[in-house]
Amino acid sequence: AQSVTQLDSQVPVFEEAPVELRCNYSSSVSVYLFWYVQYPNQGLQLLLKYLSGSTLVKGINGFEAEFNKSQTSFHLRKPSVHISDTAEYFCAVSERGSQGNLIFGKGTKLSVKP
Amino acid sequence: KAGVTQTPRYLIKTRGQQVTLSCSPISGHRSVSWYQQTPGQGLQFLFEYFSETQRNKGNFPGRFSGRQFSNSRSEMNVSTLELGDSALYLCASSPIAGAVYEQYFGPGTRLTVT
Repeated sequence: AQSVTQLDSQVPVFEEAPVELRCNYSSSVSVYLFWYVQYPNQGLQLLLKYLSGSTLVKGINGFEAEFNKSQTSFHLRKPSVHISDTAEYFCAVSERGSQGNLIFGKGTKLSVKP
Repeated sequence: KAGVTQTPRYLIKTRGQQVTLSCSPISGHRSVSWYQQTPGQGLQFLFEYFSETQRNKGNFPGRFSGRQFSNSRSEMNVSTLELGDSALYLCASSPIAGAVYEQYFGPGTRLTVT
């Protein structure tokens, strides 16, 4: 069965510093991979997605992620964070050819300090 | 294009009551999926509706049900509410069934059960 592990529940970082949020998944078949962001009292906003092709995926707000099939990882990175990036980030997976629902990780709370 | 809308945004109910939540998808989208988000269990898939038919269901008790209307709007119902049903309920719409790669989330309905 597919599963997603987000290795850090909380990541504090100073403004303008780089950040990496880690995500590992488990699946026996090919997958689609996603990163979502959730601001307080809001729904989920898609940051980026990997469907196929280039393993380096660029998303909104300066975020990017790299799909590593051998390590079954999909880590999210940003070279320089802003206070406004403070939010919770969710990694999600869906198996190709499946019924098509998302399996989410438990989330990583990113806290950007001035 | 208007996004996914959910009503009401906040709801307080008493244990044992029932509740109905509504989701209006993006215009032209025919699939609606529902997710429950709690601090303990995280984000979990409830069910997906397409063309007024439930096509996929997560691991939730029968107290959780849903339906979809001919205009693609969807409702979910929870009967005999329990304290543990307190959660943020998110719906997501996509153009066709199972299209997680083209799925957009609404702002959610925050349900509190007292």
